[in-house]
Amino acid sequence: RKEVEQDPGPFNVPEGATVAFNCTYSNSASQSFFWYRQDCRKEPKLLMSVYSSGNEDGRFTAQLNRASQYISLLIRDSKLSDSATYLCVVNGMDTDKLIFGTGTRLQVFP
Amino acid sequence: DAGVIQSPRHEVTEMGQEVTLRCKPISGHDYLFWYRQTMMRGLELLIYFNNNVPIDDSGMPEDRFSAKMPNASFSTLKIQPSEPRDSAVYFCASSSRLALKREGPMDEQFFGPGTRLTVL
Repeated sequence: RKEVEQDPGPFNVPEGATVAFNCTYSNSASQSFFWYRQDCRKEPKLLMSVYSSGNEDGRFTAQLNRASQYISLLIRDSKLSDSATYLCVVNGMDTDKLIFGTGTRLQVFP
Repeated sequence: DAGVIQSPRHEVTEMGQEVTLRCKPISGHDYLFWYRQTMMRGLELLIYFNNNVPIDDSGMPEDRFSAKMPNASFSTLKIQPSEPRDSAVYFCASSSRLALKREGPMDEQFFGPGTRLTVL
């Protein structure tokens, strides 16, 4: 089983739609969770951290479910500029290491 | 501020040749990570350093790969000899728990633009 699993997509949604991605992780001892965004042919960049209580940043909401070992990302009012690959990231057994999922591709169309 | 700098941005070489990738981390960061990204396997950690010392190289695929960090501002990843299956995008990233004024597990890593390697 992979340490971090994501649906690769692609998710094709119209502008203004709400879209949600889920991600599962295998290490129950993981303490830190993140979503990174990667544009085509660019480097990954931190989108947001995921806290136990859930957190929101504008149109983006991240949730953590420790019991079921999954995290989610909700994007409201999708914009064309949201088109990218979203990487689910969890810290590994060695807490200085980050384990990246293979990413979920989002394509927002007009 | 300059971000993580990598060179070259693109490298095309023939099988059997030596390839050297270079990275300059963000000034003040004490962690440096080397990753490889392919469509099939996603982003894989190859090795990481803390204060110029290699901490975990368990992700290095085989002896053909080696990495060094002679000082706080420079690191290299070398492949010798290169093979077609090494074709990928190689990213360098840096981070610092102290610089980010956070405690606990590492969080944000800052990635360089990557080196796109093609081995023919």
